[in-house]
Amino acid sequence: DVKVTQSSRYLVKRTGEKVFLECVQDMDHENMFWYRQDPGLGLRLIYFSYDVKMKEKGDIPEGYSVSREKKERFSLILESASTNQTSMYLCASSFSHNYGYTFGSGTRLTVV
Amino acid sequence: DQQVKQNSPSLSVQEGRISILNCDYTNSMFDYFLWYKKYPAEGPTFLISISSIKDKNEDGRFTVFLNKSAKHLSLHIVPSQPGDSAVYFCAASLTRSGGGADGLTFGKGTHLIIQP
Repeated sequence: DVKVTQSSRYLVKRTGEKVFLECVQDMDHENMFWYRQDPGLGLRLIYFSYDVKMKEKGDIPEGYSVSREKKERFSLILESASTNQTSMYLCASSFSHNYGYTFGSGTRLTVV
Repeated sequence: DQQVKQNSPSLSVQEGRISILNCDYTNSMFDYFLWYKKYPAEGPTFLISISSIKDKNEDGRFTVFLNKSAKHLSLHIVPSQPGDSAVYFCAASLTRSGGGADGLTFGKGTHLIIQP
């Protein structure tokens, strides 16, 4: 089974801090994604990557950046955390869009 | 503008009966549709999918129906069980001209509650 691992389940950070969320997948998938989930808003795509060192903006990239230096690892970076970035962050990977994406367990980030 | 819509935030169904979750989309270029199930504090798990060239796909208790002309799909769960209580997300994707994935577009989810 494909496994997507997010390094932290819960994080509490202060406003203005630089925050790194890490995601690792173990099935050699080309595509990786970062979503955030908020009540009443569903899942919204932040950034995605279809190859090493490649990245593309999703629907809500503002305030975020990403890094994909190795195929198995996709990092989400909050350059200067703000309270409106308090959310559940979900990483996913896929072989192709015709296969169901596999999600990690999520990171619950609270910015205070 | 929301391209994938789940208009029912919640749905309550008696155990053993049929649960029907609905989803509408606006982008006619979507060519693949998926349903995900999510429990609190966990990531979504893939449930079932359907290609736009089909109108029905069945997997055990789960069946997805696609009506392309109406831009509507539905998930049927028969019979409903207590463990089915979760949030269900409808998602859609489209094929890039060069292949590859653009990321799924999700609806806002429907909270299904199975009552004993």
